[in-house]
Amino acid sequence: AQSVTQLDSHVSVSEGTPVLLRCNYSSSYSPSLFWYVQHPNKGLQLLLKYTSAATLVKGINGFEAEFKKSETSFHLTKPSAHMSDAAEYFCVVSESTGYSTLTFGKGTMLLVSP
Amino acid sequence: DTAVSQTPKYLVTQMGNDKSIKCEQNLGHDTMYWYKQDSKKFLKIMFSYNNKELIINETVPNRFSPKSPDKAHLNLHINSLELGDSAVYFCASSPQASVAATQYFGPGTRLTVL
Repeated sequence: AQSVTQLDSHVSVSEGTPVLLRCNYSSSYSPSLFWYVQHPNKGLQLLLKYTSAATLVKGINGFEAEFKKSETSFHLTKPSAHMSDAAEYFCVVSESTGYSTLTFGKGTMLLVSP
Repeated sequence: DTAVSQTPKYLVTQMGNDKSIKCEQNLGHDTMYWYKQDSKKFLKIMFSYNNKELIINETVPNRFSPKSPDKAHLNLHINSLELGDSAVYFCASSPQASVAATQYFGPGTRLTVL
């Protein structure tokens, strides 16, 4: 069975400072991992995904994530936060067996202050 | 050109009523999904269709019945609505049903049952 734990329900940063959103996963097989972002009252947008290629994945808007199998982690980072980054972020796992079934983490709300 | 669209965006109704939510994608994808996001922002898969065939049916009350008239449409009909059905329902699509496939989400339908 697969599962995802997002270690922080809220993260607060100042504009221009680095962002770190933490995610640990559990999977019986080689997983695919995703980060999605949800702005208030909007749908979900894919930031980036890992599918067993390069372990450092670059996404949109300057975000990147590193897949670390030994630590079962897939943390999301950005060097410098913008006000527009304030949103809910979801770490998602999909196992490489059968059909695509996404398992979502509970989300991390990123708050960015001026 | 909206890739995945849902109607209505908001739906307010009384307990016991029957309602439908419609979803359409213009991406040419084979696979479509319904997710439920509860009040704590937790997202969970409900159903998935691949080429109009049901492939994923999570533990969902049988008051919920998906219908896929063609590959581009996946509708969700809910009978005898209950207070606990209040949530945001997201439709998504992906090119195929494989685990590495990126899912593209609609804007969501906020259902409120009074």
